[in-house]
Amino acid sequence: ETGVTQSPTHLIKTRGQQVTLRCSSQSGHNTVSWYQQALGQGPQFIFQYYREEENGRGNFPPRFSGLQFPNYSSELNVNALELDDSALYLCASSPDTLSRGGNTIYFGEGSWLTVV
Amino acid sequence: AQKITQTQPGMFVQEKEAVTLDCTYDTSDQSYGLFWYKQPSSGEMIFLIYQGSYDEQNATEGRYSLNFQKARKSANLVISASQLGDSAMYFCAMREGRRTGANNLFFGTGTRLTVIP
Repeated sequence: ETGVTQSPTHLIKTRGQQVTLRCSSQSGHNTVSWYQQALGQGPQFIFQYYREEENGRGNFPPRFSGLQFPNYSSELNVNALELDDSALYLCASSPDTLSRGGNTIYFGEGSWLTVV
Repeated sequence: AQKITQTQPGMFVQEKEAVTLDCTYDTSDQSYGLFWYKQPSSGEMIFLIYQGSYDEQNATEGRYSLNFQKARKSANLVISASQLGDSAMYFCAMREGRRTGANNLFFGTGTRLTVIP
């Protein structure tokens, strides 16, 4: 148990639709990041939120967007879904400073998205 | 250039034997962290072990140890006394820098470990 929970666990969407994935971070963790893991590959960093602001982004187009709420939970939104967006989406949380165990980065169980 | 390289797509090990999973990394930062995660077929990424670039001793967590060779930029995972439940994908990952709130990890392509009874 990592204390990071994601929902939904599985979903199927049609190309062109929009999807929202949710993540509840571990208690005390104010940094949340999102990763996309295509089949047979390692996770790729999408972006991260620190104290409700985006403070890092990987090589993903603007149709990938997110939010972080005051309780540090987070959402990943993907607009205009494409077939290649089919993947496992992982959320990770950590404390904000290395001195407080910032080497500890815990992942949720992920959301499996299939775009048809 | 790849930041994390895992050259073993698949590995087999006999139950109760030890196995080493290779990982090399590429960074110009002086401060960085190296992680190993286990991913069973369910998809959850399970944290195994962490090594900081300034840590002088190799990290150990139970049956997991990290063979950190800084000059060679390698961070191999050693699993001792393999168990059937160890069969999974294993990912090496790196975080660069010490920026507050940064948990941008670069992952390798993974190694699929199969433990044989």
